[in-house]
Amino acid sequence: AQSVTQLDSQVPVFEEAPVELRCNYSSSVSVYLFWYVQYPNQGLQLLLKYLSGSTLVESINGFEAEFNKSQTSFHLRKPSVHISDTAEYFCAVSDIGSGNTGKLIFGQGTTLQVKP
Amino acid sequence: DAGVTQSPTHLIKTRGQQVTLRCSPKSGHDTVSWYQQALGQGPQFIFQYYEEEERQRGNFPDRFSGHQFPNYSSELNVNALLLGDSALYLCASSSTTVRSGNTIYFGEGSWLTVV
Repeated sequence: AQSVTQLDSQVPVFEEAPVELRCNYSSSVSVYLFWYVQYPNQGLQLLLKYLSGSTLVESINGFEAEFNKSQTSFHLRKPSVHISDTAEYFCAVSDIGSGNTGKLIFGQGTTLQVKP
Repeated sequence: DAGVTQSPTHLIKTRGQQVTLRCSPKSGHDTVSWYQQALGQGPQFIFQYYEEEERQRGNFPDRFSGHQFPNYSSELNVNALLLGDSALYLCASSSTTVRSGNTIYFGEGSWLTVV
């Protein structure tokens, strides 16, 4: 079985400051890793994912995450945030045996609050 | 190209009633999964349908059941509603024909309130 822990429930940050949202996971098997974003009253949108290869993955809007197998972490970072980044962020895993479209296990979420 | 569409967007039911939620997957997708997201929580996997059969199931009671139709659309049924069933129900679609780099797409969800 897998589990995901997002270490911060809320992260307040000023506009143009850097931010890190922390995610640790637990699994007895190899996993795929995902970050999803949820804007108010909307569904989930995939931000980025790690399936294999380079441990550093990037999104088109400036976010990046690094897979650290030894620390079982997949922290999300952005060097300079915008007001529009205010949202709920979810870290998720799925076991490789299920394929990358299988059952997702989500963390509790981190609310990113960007202040002007 | 329409994405994942869900209906209804909001509904209110009374304890003990039954509810049916509907989902149309993204064009070209053949797999549908359902998730429950309680307020302030992360989504929890309910079950997944492929080829009109339940392929995987999460830790949910038998009151939660589903169906997938030949056109890949899906329904989630919940019987004997409890107050604790109040949540956002998310539908996710994906394709088994493109395994590498495939993406799961989520709908905007159906808000269920049980009173």
